[in-house]
Amino acid sequence: QQQVKQSPQSLIVQKGGISIINCAYENTAFDYFPWYQQFPGKGPALLIAIRPDVSEKKEGRFTISFNKSAKQFSLHIMDSQPGDSATYFCAASRMDSSYKLIFGSGTRLLVRP
Amino acid sequence: GAGVSQSPRYKVTKRGQDVALRCDPISGHVSLYWYRQALGQGPEFLTYFNYEAQQDKSGLPNDRFSAERPEGSISTLTIQRTEQRDSAMYRCASSLVAVGATREQYFGPGTRLTVT
Repeated sequence: QQQVKQSPQSLIVQKGGISIINCAYENTAFDYFPWYQQFPGKGPALLIAIRPDVSEKKEGRFTISFNKSAKQFSLHIMDSQPGDSATYFCAASRMDSSYKLIFGSGTRLLVRP
Repeated sequence: GAGVSQSPRYKVTKRGQDVALRCDPISGHVSLYWYRQALGQGPEFLTYFNYEAQQDKSGLPNDRFSAERPEGSISTLTIQRTEQRDSAMYRCASSLVAVGATREQYFGPGTRLTVT
């Protein structure tokens, strides 16, 4: 059972454009939603995270939008740069379930110069 | 500071052999997680330690997989009688504390296991 669904699978954006990646979850007990960035040959690196009591969180060019009623959250990358080209994973965890991360299937982002 | 380290980075083994994968978490991190990541997929949870106690092993695929963290720091994931389907990237992550505000998990570079 896939508890976190991520889309799109791949995304191509021009430099300077906005990249948007979406995730939907099923379990309302999830209470922590991080995004990870992974470059080839590297481990996932924490990018930004949000809790369900907040509808938006911004860090630099990266913004998480959270819609609790729709059970959806999304990552927006403003002014996308070629260096942002990587695979992005959304995840979710529950306080009452070891805080283990349940990951989405990933989005491969390519930012063209 | 030093991040999570894992060794070996690459391991090739023959079917039926036992392997031990090591994780050295960030100093002072209480929680340690093992995940398995298939190519093109997100990591999947295997097991979790809080200090030296294995709190959750619900993600271990079968009884050939085991893990320990005897002194609450370094952890070893052991796979006995390896099978080709065990081939994957095994990742370790650590977290300062599991409870409360600090839940960020920091991942290591992984061990690429290939079973021939």
